[in-house]
Amino acid sequence: AQSVTQLDSHVSVSEGTPVLLRCNYSSSYSPSLFWYVQHPNKGLQLLLKYTSAATLVKGINGFEAEFKKSETSFHLTKPSAHMSDAAEYFCVVSIPGTYKYIFGTGTRLKVLA
Amino acid sequence: ETGVTQTPRHLVMGMTNKKSLKCEQHLGHNAMYWYKQSAKKPLELMFVYSLEERVENNSVPSRFSPECPNSSHLFLHLHTLQPEDSALYLCASSQDNGDRGQGGYTFGSGTRLTVV
Repeated sequence: AQSVTQLDSHVSVSEGTPVLLRCNYSSSYSPSLFWYVQHPNKGLQLLLKYTSAATLVKGINGFEAEFKKSETSFHLTKPSAHMSDAAEYFCVVSIPGTYKYIFGTGTRLKVLA
Repeated sequence: ETGVTQTPRHLVMGMTNKKSLKCEQHLGHNAMYWYKQSAKKPLELMFVYSLEERVENNSVPSRFSPECPNSSHLFLHLHTLQPEDSALYLCASSQDNGDRGQGGYTFGSGTRLTVV
């Protein structure tokens, strides 16, 4: 069965410091994995996706994520946080052969000036 | 806007009202989705349409009725709702190339629904 766990519900970083948002997944198949970002009163925007190509995936706005099969992890990172990165981030795993995605419960990122 | 437009942005309705949510996508996608986002709960898939046919119905109560008249438009008709149906309703679209939308979605900004 597929599942996804976001290990932190809230993360606070100072502007200019690195960001790490953690995600672990469980999948019986080779999964497709995604990170989405949701700013207040907005829909979700796709940051990046892993679909069994390169294990290090680069996304928009300087974010990247590394697929580690041995650790069943897909953590999201950014070298230097910007105030505009403050938002909620969702890790998502797809169920192959279906239209269904499983969303994590989200991590709210706060960026301190 | 992201290419997926939802109207209205906010809706307050009584439990006996009938209203509809509208979604329009300008991306040429062939699959569209309704999701429900409630506080402190993961996003819940409600309905999926691919090539204008409903392909998923995730045990959604009949007081929610979807309609997909063409590949660019999706509606969610609401009637006799309950206060617990208050949530953000998100529409999304994707290109289904036989992979069932595994390439990722484009979401609209949502309709914030409050049932009183």
